[in-house]
Amino acid sequence: AQTVTQSQPEMSVQEAETVTLSCTYDTSESDYYLFWYKQPPSRQMILVIRQEAYKQQNATENRFSVNFQKAAKSFSLKISDSQLGDAAMYFCAYRSLNRDDKIIFGKGTRLHILP
Amino acid sequence: DTEVTQTPKHLVMGMTNKKSLKCEQHMGHRAMYWYKQKAKKPPELMFVYSYEKLSINESVPSRFSPECPNSSLLNLHLHALQPEDSALYLCASSQEGLAKGTQYFGPGTRLLVL
Repeated sequence: AQTVTQSQPEMSVQEAETVTLSCTYDTSESDYYLFWYKQPPSRQMILVIRQEAYKQQNATENRFSVNFQKAAKSFSLKISDSQLGDAAMYFCAYRSLNRDDKIIFGKGTRLHILP
Repeated sequence: DTEVTQTPKHLVMGMTNKKSLKCEQHMGHRAMYWYKQKAKKPPELMFVYSYEKLSINESVPSRFSPECPNSSLLNLHLHALQPEDSALYLCASSQEGLAKGTQYFGPGTRLLVL
């Protein structure tokens, strides 16, 4: 069974600085999706970034980028120029390409932005 | 447009009440999901509908009854709930086919069972 591990329950970063959130996963599959979702205090789950496993190029969305290391089964999220609005719970998630609609979520990392 | 809407935003109900949660999307997605989320925990999958048919039921108690009247709507009927059912209930949807990987979430319904 697939698992997703986020080893940092909480992190803090100074505003305008860069922070990296860690995520590792375990799977025997070769094709899958990986996601980072953000859930601010309002509690709406927002998609931050998505990576297809067959793509070697790391996904980037504005200030958010990932470091996808397929062999190491690592999928970290880097947030550059941190802003107060980035404060949220961040969930790393895995989804198989097989006919299974489940997403496997990590336990989350609470990110605090210090003014 | 990647919007999933949910109503109501908040719901307080007694253990003998019957209520329904509603979810709607107009993105042409053919898979819809219900999740339950407790505070400081990741969402837990409850049900998946694919092409309006129930494809996954994660052993959810029968006091939760899902319904998918059409491809845009998803309901969750609640009856005889327990206080431990108090949680945020999230709806999500995704496309089928090659782009089916991404689930888009609604804002959730915060449920309190007294």
